Amino acid sequence: GNSVTQMEGPVTLSEEAFLTINCTYTATGYPSLFWYVQYPGEGLQLLLKATKADDKGSNKGFEATYRKETTSFHLEKGSVQVSDSAVYFCALTRSGGYNKLIFGAGTRLAVHP
Amino acid sequence: EPEVTQTPSHQVTQMGQEVILRCVPISNHLYFYWYRQILGQKVEFLVSFYNNEISEKSEIFDDQFSVERPDGSNFTLKIRSTKLEDSAMYFCASSDSLRMRSSYNEQFFGPGTRLTVL
Repeated sequence: GNSVTQMEGPVTLSEEAFLTINCTYTATGYPSLFWYVQYPGEGLQLLLKATKADDKGSNKGFEATYRKETTSFHLEKGSVQVSDSAVYFCALTRSGGYNKLIFGAGTRLAVHP
Repeated sequence: EPEVTQTPSHQVTQMGQEVILRCVPISNHLYFYWYRQILGQKVEFLVSFYNNEISEKSEIFDDQFSVERPDGSNFTLKIRSTKLEDSAMYFCASSDSLRMRSSYNEQFFGPGTRLTVL
């Protein structure tokens, strides 16, 4: 079946450090891939998306590239800020169907000044 | 900016009791979803709802669960007889279109209701 695997957290970084959160997926067909972010006390917000192979999603300095050959969608940011502290979820929707989201376990990021 | 709202933010109930979790989706949205997240675990799909009927449900969504859109604005999740293992954060989401070709639609999530079953 379809599934998403994320690196375990928490990830603790100093401000301005480089961030990578690994995400790999298993899916039939051609899924769309997403990163959602959850700030403390809030709901899930879409951070970025990619709908086909080699697409790069980007937003707020974050980016991720849909790599079909390695079934990966790693999240990166060149210089994190304290305000980026949150839980990050990688997710996919299978092609066709009613677009339920299949999530990874989430990775907590803590950025210190 | 329109947003999905959920009430209550925290619900405490006794095992075996019925609970109703309420959601108000974004007003022009047509597709509605419930997800849950047991503490420390991944977010799991429960059910999707369109045109006043269930589109898809997961194996978690058994006969104890039901959903309803009673008045055109609210979208509710009912658990008839709660169990300890129903304790989780429940998220409602909505989206406004289903683009079958691209298989993408952005789902907008509410802040969640934390359900604690004692």
